[in-house]
Amino acid sequence: DVKVTQSSRYLVKRTGEKVFLECVQDMDHENMFWYRQDPGLGLRLIYFSYDVKMKEKGDIPEGYSVSREKKERFSLILESASTNQTSMYLCASSSPPAGRETQYFGPGTRLLVL
Amino acid sequence: AQSVAQPEDQVNVAEGNPLTVKCTYSVSGNPYLFWYVQYPNRGLQFLLKYITGDNLVKGSYGFEAEFNKSQTSFHLKKPSALVSDSALYFCAVRRSTGANNLFFGTGTRLTVIP
Repeated sequence: DVKVTQSSRYLVKRTGEKVFLECVQDMDHENMFWYRQDPGLGLRLIYFSYDVKMKEKGDIPEGYSVSREKKERFSLILESASTNQTSMYLCASSSPPAGRETQYFGPGTRLLVL
Repeated sequence: AQSVAQPEDQVNVAEGNPLTVKCTYSVSGNPYLFWYVQYPNRGLQFLLKYITGDNLVKGSYGFEAEFNKSQTSFHLKKPSALVSDSALYFCAVRRSTGANNLFFGTGTRLTVIP
């Protein structure tokens, strides 16, 4: 079974802090994704990556950055956390063929920014 | 551009009755369509997908979905609902921009009443 793990289930941070969310997958997937989930808005794509050291902006990249130094690990960084970044963050991974792949999700990190 | 509409935020159904969760889409080219489920405090789990072929797709936990090209719909169905089916359901479509990722709907909360 594909396993996608996220470093924390719950995080509480203060406004202005730098926040790191880590995601690791164990199935040698090329593609990795970060989403945020908010009630009534569904999942919105923040960033994604198709290869090591490669990243692409999603729909809502402002205030976020990412890092993919190793194939299995994809990190989401909040450079200076703000209260409007309080949300559930979901990581996912998938493997080609392009467009047909099933995305496998981690359990999520619920972030509260005070 | 692509879009996904889940017109119902909430669906209630009695245990043992058939259930339907609605999804309509708009996309350029051939649609690749997906259903995911999220149980409380969990990440998303893949249920089923339509890529090509038979319009009736069978998936996990007894769920199925029917692709209807003329109505641009991909409704999720189950003949007999279980209380354990209570969850948040997301419809998704592959993006039409050539990027290999998914665009999600806003979700429908299904409650199965004992």
